[in-house]
Amino acid sequence: QVQLVESGGGVVQPGTSLRLACVGSGVSNHGIHWVRQAPGKGLEWVAVIYNDGLKKYYADSVKGRFTISRDSSESKLFLHMESLRVEDTAVYFCARDRGPSGTETSTYSWLEAWGQGTLVAVSS
Amino acid sequence: SYDLTQPPSESVLPGQTATITCSGHELGAKFVSWYQQRPGQSPLLIIYQDSKRPSGTPDRFSGSNSGNTAILNISGTQPSDEADYYCLAWEDSTSVVFGGGTKLTVL
Repeated sequence: QVQLVESGGGVVQPGTSLRLACVGSGVSNHGIHWVRQAPGKGLEWVAVIYNDGLKKYYADSVKGRFTISRDSSESKLFLHMESLRVEDTAVYFCARDRGPSGTETSTYSWLEAWGQGTLVAVSS
Repeated sequence: SYDLTQPPSESVLPGQTATITCSGHELGAKFVSWYQQRPGQSPLLIIYQDSKRPSGTPDRFSGSNSGNTAILNISGTQPSDEADYYCLAWEDSTSVVFGGGTKLTVL
């Protein structure tokens, strides 16, 4: 049962930009996280947008280069990636957040549903 | 920054109990969730709020969290349980952390 779908990945050169999209159930009213996985490596948390759409936080490795945004009218969520580096090469997953009170994002939340991922390859 | 430490690998015989640990400073004061990732697939939530199972997670999977260590137990391990397992906790309201992952081999 596919609930989230990512798109927008591709092969790009260092220093360039790319925009990933995430669509699916709950994108407009749940907290949504981006998580990446470099080839052969573990999961790395990248960013979160809270269910309220106001609070957005980033991992130190992408802070200042990546921006998360939401288009509620289209139930789409985006990850804008700038100044891409070779080390940003990874499969990027979006994941829907759920907490004890339902859609409210908090430190008690977990990632209840994941997309299939989209591959971003940064190479010269 | 906050770190979660998992053993890189564990092995278990079919039918036996597999135990995977996740360690972090005062981890017991946080809520831990666990994710299973089979080769070529997306991660799948198997445990949330330390010990709760989503619908669809077999009751062979159980979790606990106390002190500095969270534990994922898989009883009656099956060949299909061979996968990578990751723990997750929130460092604070602005940051989420994954453990490094444990590759479980069913011998």
